[in-house]
Amino acid sequence: EVQLVESGGGLIQPGGSLRLSCAASGFAFNSRAMSWVRQAPGKGLEWVSFVSMSGSNSYYADSVKGRFTISRDNSKNTLYLQMNSLRVEDTAVYYCATVPYSQAFDTWGQGTMVTVSS
Amino acid sequence: QSALTQPRSVSGSPGQSVTISCTGVGSNIGAYTFVSWYQQIPGKAPKLIIYGVNNRPSGVPDRFSASKSGATASLTISGLQAEDEGDFYCCSYAGDYTWVFGTGTKITVL
Repeated sequence: EVQLVESGGGLIQPGGSLRLSCAASGFAFNSRAMSWVRQAPGKGLEWVSFVSMSGSNSYYADSVKGRFTISRDNSKNTLYLQMNSLRVEDTAVYYCATVPYSQAFDTWGQGTMVTVSS
Repeated sequence: QSALTQPRSVSGSPGQSVTISCTGVGSNIGAYTFVSWYQQIPGKAPKLIIYGVNNRPSGVPDRFSASKSGATASLTISGLQAEDEGDFYCCSYAGDYTWVFGTGTKITVL
């Protein structure tokens, strides 16, 4: 069974840092590009970041560029999102998702909640 | 990029058909066939129901269909069922490995 499990969320003060993880199982992790998508409370979905299968190429939404870093460890079947200089507006549920060649997000994790508040 | 525009809510009776529009611009929906749709039950993760404009993943009922014309995409649910209630989002590839989602539409089955 294809499965993605996010972890690492929590309550953090503005300006702080947090690292999210996404553990993958049930498929060849190194053959799938990956993304992070977030959803603020009561709001819609927002694409955050994308990383290629090898991890050598990464892309970001303007709202997080320069503050967030996506990475992956194919030997551990794990995707990461390092979030620095966190802002109140980064408060959201963060989902990881696989991105096949169809450029759609076809498998999603259950999400992890990040709350940025003083 | 600005979010794609969807109606805030759409409703219908069981058995009816409903259509959700998704309006973008020439640099996203108008430029690519990588349009996808997601169903989200409150409190749950989104689920892919359409990819590549009008393709359904395995297990998605054929009651769900979609199309695209210019910079506007549409999702149609035929034979509406109570289990179809939830939030629906469109999404388009926007080039340079970036994506933009729609504002979301709440489907209510009367």
